[in-house]
Amino acid sequence: GAGVSQTPSNKVTEKGKYVELRCDPISGHTALYWYRQSLGQGPEFLIYFQGTGAADDSGLPNDRFFAVRPEGSVSTLKIQRTERGDSAVYLCASSLMSGGTGELFFGEGSRLTVL
Amino acid sequence: GNSVTQMEGPVTLSEEAFLTINCTYTATGYPSLFWYVQYPGEGLQLLLKATKADDKGSNKGFEATYRKETTSFHLEKGSVQVSDSAVYFCALSSGAGSYQLTFGKGTKLSVIP
Repeated sequence: GAGVSQTPSNKVTEKGKYVELRCDPISGHTALYWYRQSLGQGPEFLIYFQGTGAADDSGLPNDRFFAVRPEGSVSTLKIQRTERGDSAVYLCASSLMSGGTGELFFGEGSRLTVL
Repeated sequence: GNSVTQMEGPVTLSEEAFLTINCTYTATGYPSLFWYVQYPGEGLQLLLKATKADDKGSNKGFEATYRKETTSFHLEKGSVQVSDSAVYFCALSSGAGSYQLTFGKGTKLSVIP
């Protein structure tokens, strides 16, 4: 497809389990972003990749969260020892450039529910 | 730090009514301002943007003017349609070279025939 693809669209897990969320950006987009959207809130920045490297991970809430982008395309957000407070929609976006005036293209999100 | 405040919803309008969704911001420097829209079952998509004071962004009949003196970027449309029903997010980035978007909480708009 032409857009940003995220899998799974829904994930239900139990407290303490490990979760991986995948993002396939638009082909040719070098910048990739992860955001988290809690119920009733706007998206909040988690991490930004330029190519393969995490240029800014200042939004990751704690060391249970980690993200990789080994080949500069697909990215995986990894959450260890999930907690109920991690329940949210995790959004991935990509863009051609990383500048602030560039348009971000968002996927539909992965809805994570931690029981 | 940066923050965005937008009017709380939900907002329900009749078709062809005038729409205003208020958005104000707090930021250092010269931010760029955006409105993103999320239609049911779809991802967020850029609706319009403005990168400097007094710029007007427009798209699909929607408009917003970057007002530095009032730190506002209100979204307007003269005549809404049922197909405009969606959640609208105001957002800012800190300007050229910045990549983090700060979003408001979103305003859900429902347009009834």
